[in-house]
Amino acid sequence: EPEVTQTPSHQVTQMGQEVILRCVPISNHLYFYWYRQILGQKVEFLVSFYNNEISEKSEIFDDQFSVERPDGSNFTLKIRSTKLEDSAMYFCASREKTSGSRSYNEQFFGPGTRLTVL
Amino acid sequence: LAKTTQPISMDSYEGQEVNITCSHNNIATNDYITWYQQFPSQGPRFIIQGYKTKVTNEVASLFIPADRKSSTLSLPRVSLSDTAVYYCLVGPHSSYKLIFGSGTRLLVRP
Repeated sequence: EPEVTQTPSHQVTQMGQEVILRCVPISNHLYFYWYRQILGQKVEFLVSFYNNEISEKSEIFDDQFSVERPDGSNFTLKIRSTKLEDSAMYFCASREKTSGSRSYNEQFFGPGTRLTVL
Repeated sequence: LAKTTQPISMDSYEGQEVNITCSHNNIATNDYITWYQQFPSQGPRFIIQGYKTKVTNEVASLFIPADRKSSTLSLPRVSLSDTAVYYCLVGPHSSYKLIFGSGTRLLVRP
């Protein structure tokens, strides 16, 4: 079965450094998302992306964050200047265009990238 | 988006049926009810979605009463591998985002 992949699985960085988290969504999917989960807390929505532009973003997704789909397969999340509080698990998800056989809110999540900011 | 309330945790034993109820009193007419499962250090995984009455798939059943103010996820004959956090989400179909609550931590014991 097709799956969302993410790299790296674990990223350690120094505060103030830039990081890029990479995701390869499922190939025929059209909607892409980033979520994060701080250890022991809820999964939080960051941003959704469709048709090469941001559809919606949360308050967390400030000017330090950006997303890009540089080619037909990758979807990236960039954090320009990491802070200690950015330490979390970051999940990429994708969804196909809604069709009769698929439930509307079925998003497929990747395994996550654990970001540790020191 | 409708607020959801579900138990913080539940315990069960292998082979039992587990029912997790979610309350969503202010559900809107165009809202769907969706359940996700999350194992430790993994991304959430879609389980089931419904709008009204009963929906069943190979993994679970979802019961939604006529007033839609609550829903019950039913897991038949749970095994140890069903130990996970289960999230009830309510929102319009084709929503751009999923809003997760704190979920129900299910522990299945031998």
